[in-house]
Amino acid sequence: EPEVTQTPSHQVTQMGQEVILRCVPISNHLYFYWYRQILGQKVEFLVSFYNNEISEKSEIFDDQFSVERPDGSNFTLKIRSTKLEDSAMYFCARKASGNTIYFGEGSWLTVV
Amino acid sequence: DQQVKQNSPSLSVQEGRISILNCDYTNSMFDYFLWYKKYPAEGPTFLISISSIKDKNEDGRFTVFLNKSAKHLSLHIVPSQPGDSAVYFCAASASGTASKLTFGTGTRLQVTL
Repeated sequence: EPEVTQTPSHQVTQMGQEVILRCVPISNHLYFYWYRQILGQKVEFLVSFYNNEISEKSEIFDDQFSVERPDGSNFTLKIRSTKLEDSAMYFCARKASGNTIYFGEGSWLTVV
Repeated sequence: DQQVKQNSPSLSVQEGRISILNCDYTNSMFDYFLWYKKYPAEGPTFLISISSIKDKNEDGRFTVFLNKSAKHLSLHIVPSQPGDSAVYFCAASASGTASKLTFGTGTRLQVTL
């Protein structure tokens, strides 16, 4: 059973369009993350989100990206103006006790 | 900036034998290490972890060994099963970084009959 549920599982979008990826944590944890994996490459950290604020972000997470938890439950990643190089699998994750991070099933984004 | 490296892109092992997957890191601030298993188009599945205060952690068929002086860790799977065939990623985090994980490039394990 996945620790988090992600939607959509796959989205195709045109370059320049806005995309919102959603994550619904099953249990009530405070730490959430977005990671991504470009095809054939390693999994990369994007951003961590704690207590409704960004706690850390990577160089990849530029002004085109934003995260929020608008209703206290869903956790969203927004890409304002998608580029071809944004095509990747995006993973939502959450932290359990200690330092173990559990990942969702992923949302596959294809930018054409 | 390859702070976590998995130098073997692939490994083939016979069913029933031991699989050994290796991982090296360069950042001495890393103090927590994890192994994930991943199938195509799915999220990474947590397997086992180890803190830097230990040198071994075991969970069923999976054992992780940590050699801090060499900045090296390994995952042993014994006995290997066909269902273990997947890509395995090691990942590391440092205290005070909100558990941000730095991943290796992965090793594709193929367990043959």
